Amino acid sequence: NAGVTQTPKFQVLKTGQSMTLQCAQDMNHEYMSWYRQDPGMGLRLIHYSVGAGITDQGEVPNGYNVSRSTTEDFPLRLLSAAPSQTSVYFCASSYSGAGNEQFFGPGTRLTVL
Amino acid sequence: TQLLEQSPQFLSIQEGENLTVYCNSSSVFSSLQWYRQEPGEGPVLLVTVVTGGEVKKLKRLTFQFGDARKDSSLHITAAQTGDTGLYLCAGDGSARQLTFGSGTQLTVLP
Repeated sequence: NAGVTQTPKFQVLKTGQSMTLQCAQDMNHEYMSWYRQDPGMGLRLIHYSVGAGITDQGEVPNGYNVSRSTTEDFPLRLLSAAPSQTSVYFCASSYSGAGNEQFFGPGTRLTVL
Repeated sequence: TQLLEQSPQFLSIQEGENLTVYCNSSSVFSSLQWYRQEPGEGPVLLVTVVTGGEVKKLKRLTFQFGDARKDSSLHITAAQTGDTGLYLCAGDGSARQLTFGSGTQLTVLP
């Protein structure tokens, strides 16, 4: 099993550009989530999904969109990048919910100029 | 919004010393998870505590969940350089979301 994979590993964008961060898992997990990690602030939840076709907002959803068309994939879209979105982004999955062990991907380091 | 406060934010100790990291909230959590994160990697689960007052041991690491399920602590005995990393607590509260603390950056010096 590859676990949780994320691409790209690094990305530099200019303000106003859009892009999609990819996340995939091969563990047949129902629950998937996106976090951003900023210095001194731990991980903050952006969006999450409890299953294919179902998504919901987390603590910091503004400026981001998600979709969950399959169990395996959970892409995160930045609509119009802003410098405040410079961060490290982690995708995670778990068997059935927030109370289960979260398996994290290796992260995407995004810089918005 | 449920908040988790971790302390201390930074901790630098000598190998062989003991340490305790705290995770506190005013909210009740169904369960609390502890993760460790190495530079350039995602967090990895160490333990989950579920019952108020529960104590779990993982070799030299001891985890405790408060009786009221609002706080937790991580105690490391005889720290080793391999314990260096970012320690994160995360609470499973309402709304199917996991709330993370801000983390404790531990450095164990040889």
